[in-house]
Amino acid sequence: DQQVKQNSPSLSVQEGRISILNCDYTNSMFDYFLWYKKYPAEGPTFLISISSIKDKNEDGRFTVFLNKSAKHLSLHIVPSQPGDSAVYFCAASGDRDDKIIFGKGTRLHILP
Amino acid sequence: DTGVSQNPRHKITKRGQNVTFRCDPISEHNRLYWYRQTLGQGPEFLTYFQNEAQLEKSRLLSDRFSAERPKGSFSTLEIQRTEQGDSAMYLCAAPRDNSYNEQFFGPGTRLTVL
Repeated sequence: DQQVKQNSPSLSVQEGRISILNCDYTNSMFDYFLWYKKYPAEGPTFLISISSIKDKNEDGRFTVFLNKSAKHLSLHIVPSQPGDSAVYFCAASGDRDDKIIFGKGTRLHILP
Repeated sequence: DTGVSQNPRHKITKRGQNVTFRCDPISEHNRLYWYRQTLGQGPEFLTYFQNEAQLEKSRLLSDRFSAERPKGSFSTLEIQRTEQGDSAMYLCAAPRDNSYNEQFFGPGTRLTVL
C-alpha cells in the first residue's frame, strides 16, 4: 500500500525551462513533506521541505507547493540545469512517527 | 557532506554468509535511522535508535537482521544467513540538529548476495 505516490517514473525537460515533479499521498496524518535528490551510487540528498501548516516553501531555484485538501504536493525547479538530472523522491513523515515514507521516485532528465 | 559515513561502500557475499555494516554520524546525533533501497523503489524504513535504545523496527526487519548502537554513537547492522533478496542499498540517516523530520543520509552500503 503506497502511502506516497509518484506516478511519473520519468520526466524530460529542456534546459532553462521549468521542471514540475508531482506527488500524491494518502495518509492524512502526514504533517511534514520532503523532497530528496539522488544520484546513482550515492545516498539521497535533502533538497527542500514543507510543513503542513504552509502551502509554499521556496529555496533558490526550488519551490515546493502543498495542497492539503487534494493531498498533493509538487516540486518546481526553475530554471532547470543539467546538474538537476537525477532521481527525485517525494517523502512524508507524521508528527509522532519520525520515520520517513518515500515514493518510488521520478527520474528527471534535463535536455541540452 | 551530510555528516554521516558508512562502511563498507560495497559488499559482495555468497548466500548464507553473515555481513555487517557500520554507520558513523560525524557529530553525535541522538537519533539514527536505517533504511533499505531496492531497485525501482524509494528507501524503506528498517529501524531507528534514540541514543543506544532501538525504538522501532519495521516488519521488513526479519529475525536474521540485528542492529545495535552501543554508547549511542556509531551503529551496526548485521544480516545473518544472507539471501539473494537481501541485495539492496542499505542507508543510514541522522536528523539535522533537533529537526527530526529532516534526515540526512550517508552514501549507503551496496550489498550484493550471489
